[in-house]
Amino acid sequence: EPEVTQTPSHQVTQMGQEVILHCVPISNHLYFYWYRQILGQKVEFLVSFYNNEISEKSEIFDDQFSVERPDGSNFTLKIRSTKLEDSAMYFCASSERGTSADTQYFGPGTRLTVL
Amino acid sequence: GESVGLHLPTLSVQEGDNSIINCAYSNSASDYFIWYKQESGKGPQFIIDIRSNMDKRQGQRVTVLLNKTVKHLSLQIAATQPGDSAVYFCAENWGRRDKIIFGKGTRLHILP
Repeated sequence: EPEVTQTPSHQVTQMGQEVILHCVPISNHLYFYWYRQILGQKVEFLVSFYNNEISEKSEIFDDQFSVERPDGSNFTLKIRSTKLEDSAMYFCASSERGTSADTQYFGPGTRLTVL
Repeated sequence: GESVGLHLPTLSVQEGDNSIINCAYSNSASDYFIWYKQESGKGPQFIIDIRSNMDKRQGQRVTVLLNKTVKHLSLQIAATQPGDSAVYFCAENWGRRDKIIFGKGTRLHILP
């Protein structure tokens, strides 16, 4: 069964450093998403991406964040200058279409620890 | 505003019994609801969904009920098994928006 994959599974970084989180969405999906989950809290939407553009973003997704689809299979989330409060699980998701009622499939997540 | 929440943070159920996990939502414009299961160390896994023009939808061992009058959603798991231990999130989506709004989650414990 096709699945979303994410690397690395765990990333440790120093405050102020840049990190790039990697995702490979399901191959025939056209819509891509990043969510984050701070330990013990609910999953929060960060950004959605379609046709090489951001289609929607939350207030969390400020200028320190960016997304990119560098090739036909990868989808990345970059945090330019990490802060302690960026420590969280980051989940990538993808869906065939971007409408409501279209199932989003989530990857296993990357645990980001900012020291 | 955007708000999907769950009534109980933790639910303990005897193995073999039925589990009922509840969720309240505040946005009357919500037209699509999803239940996700999250096991420890894993990403959210789709379980079942329901559109606002339905009251009930059944899957394999799971049933979702939607009461739009009181803005309430529930997930019923029949004959709960140890593998059902996880955190369950209700989530909503509406209109053409492509983001999912998650609730806080209910941890389901299965008692032997």
